[in-house]
This record gives sequence, C-alpha cells and structure tokens, in this order.
Amino acid sequence: EAEVAQSPRYKITEKSQAVAFWCDPISGHATLYWYRQILGQGPELLVQFQDESVVDDSQLPKDRFSAERLKGVDSTLKIQPAELGDSAMYLCASSLLMDGNEQYFGPGTRLTVT
Amino acid sequence: KNQVEQSPQSLIILEGKNCTLQCNYTVSPFSNLRWYKQDTGRGPVSLTIMTFSENTKSNGRYTATLDADTKQSSLHITASQLSDSASYICVVSAPWYGNNRLAFGKGNQVVVIP
Repeated sequence: EAEVAQSPRYKITEKSQAVAFWCDPISGHATLYWYRQILGQGPELLVQFQDESVVDDSQLPKDRFSAERLKGVDSTLKIQPAELGDSAMYLCASSLLMDGNEQYFGPGTRLTVT
Repeated sequence: KNQVEQSPQSLIILEGKNCTLQCNYTVSPFSNLRWYKQDTGRGPVSLTIMTFSENTKSNGRYTATLDADTKQSSLHITASQLSDSASYICVVSAPWYGNNRLAFGKGNQVVVIP
C-alpha cells in the first residue's frame, strides 16, 4: 500500500539553527500539505501545494519558515532560525485532488528545539 | 473558538470494554466528517468518513455516527483492545473552506489498560 514518506523521523536542534524536513507524497497525488501539531492539539495547516504551486500559506510564519515543491512531487519545509516554540510534530499529507479528497498522512517528524 | 470540540479530552478504559467519543462541530455547511486514529508519535490514519447525508459508518470495531441536525458525531469502540490506545481526532471538511482545508478537533486521548 502506498504511503507518504517523511524524513527524518526525529530531529533535535539548538535554537537559532536551521532545520529542514522532507516529504514524498503518494505517487500521483497532486496536492501536498504541511501541518504542525503541538502535543495535545490537532494538526494546524502551514502550507498547501497544488502541484508545484502554493495555494495556501496564510498560516505559515514566513519570517522563518519556507516550503518548496519545485518539481511538483516531493517537498521540503525549512525553518531558519529555529525557536523553542517550534518544537512540535510536523506532518505531511497528500491527496489525489484538491476537491475534498481523502488526505493521507505521513508518520511525521518530531522536532525538539533546545 | 475551535469549530470542532471533542469530549472527553482523555479517558482510561479496561480492555474488552466499550467506549464512546463525542465530537461537536459548528462548521456549516460541511462536505464530510472524518475520524482519524493517531498512535503516539505517528501520523493520523483515517478510520471513517461520512458525508452530510450519512448517519453511520463502521470500520471493524469502530462505528461512527453523525447527526447533521444537532451537529454531533460519535465514535464507538467495541470490545476495546490494547492497540486501541491512541488519540482519536474528529475532522470536518467544509466547501467554503476551499482548497480541501480541514477543521481539526484536539482529539480524544484513549488509554486501554489490561
């Protein structure tokens, strides 16, 4: 069964350092999402791509976060510089289309900023 | 105010017992309501998805119900097993959100003990 792949699974970094996460969606899925999930909370959408284009980044802290999906397949989310409050689970999800389709989530990257 | 409220926040149940999780939402109109299971340190996995016209949907020992008039949904777990220990997240998709955006609840944390 196809799955969304994410790496690394765990990342510990010091504040002010740069960190990057990678996501490979299910093959053929045009829409890709990055979420941030704080412990005990539901996921919060950071950015949504349709192919290589950003369709929603209204919740992305653009002063320190950036995301790209250059070829419309895999994607990278970067934080620079990392802050203590960025400690969270970063989830990637993909869906076949943008119109209400099921979103499939990856295993997530657990980020700890010290 | 969160548009999707879940209760109880957490509960502990004995293995073999049944339990019911509640989800109240204010999102209206909506396209579908989903229940996800999220194991600790993992990404959410879809359990059930119901459109506004459906009243119930089952997936093995998991049964979800939906009352669109009262804007309530429940997830019933029958004959709980230790592997049911997880967070259960209620998610509502609304057409006016656009771009397949989802409204997430904070989750019901379930712990099954032997």
